[in-house]
Amino acid sequence: QVTLEESGPALVKPTQTLTLTCTFSGFSLSAPGMRVSWVRQPPGKAPEWLARIDWDDDKFYTTSLKTRLTISKDTSKNQVVLKMSNMDPADTATYYCARGGGYFFFDHWGQGALVTVSS
Amino acid sequence: EIVLTQSPGILSLSPGERASLSCRASQSVASNYLAWYQQKPGQAPSLLIYGVSTRATGVPDRFSGSGSGTEFTLTISRLEPEDFAVYYCQQYGSSPLNSFGQGTKLDIK
Repeated sequence: QVTLEESGPALVKPTQTLTLTCTFSGFSLSAPGMRVSWVRQPPGKAPEWLARIDWDDDKFYTTSLKTRLTISKDTSKNQVVLKMSNMDPADTATYYCARGGGYFFFDHWGQGALVTVSS
Repeated sequence: EIVLTQSPGILSLSPGERASLSCRASQSVASNYLAWYQQKPGQAPSLLIYGVSTRATGVPDRFSGSGSGTEFTLTISRLEPEDFAVYYCQQYGSSPLNSFGQGTKLDIK
């Protein structure tokens, strides 16, 4: 059974760096072909893909946020971490981790973590 | 980047009716890598259809997908009360930028 769970702060101040952790089970991110993505969804809006990390440690970012995002993995802990710098109120959203991305659909999602950016 | 446009924005129907949701791509979706997701309030999106027409595990057969190139359709043959939700299409044929449509909200009439 595949599960993913996001954790991190619910509230961050403008200009701070957001750190989110995705803890997953039911698959190994060291297995060839496996990948985990981060997707965010502002309130009332569509999902937006942010970043992806692959089993071979390849990393990919959405163009508009590339300079602010860092994705990493700890295979031994079954975790993927996303850092987003210089947070702005416009970054207020529910942040999801999901298995998939690239030439693969998102077949399993975490429940999401709502992050509010406010002073 | 491939832009996906869904229509209509809101679809109001009654249980038992047939629903057709459209997703149009700004350029051809490679290998028909087009998926549909269902999202209910307070929940994460849930995979319904991938590869244009393949139902995900456990998805009822009243859900079907069709199309190719730039035009895709999600059809729900007979609406059940639990089907009223927001539906998103997503293309994964253009890596790494996986884009989503803006969604169609299926409302109870």
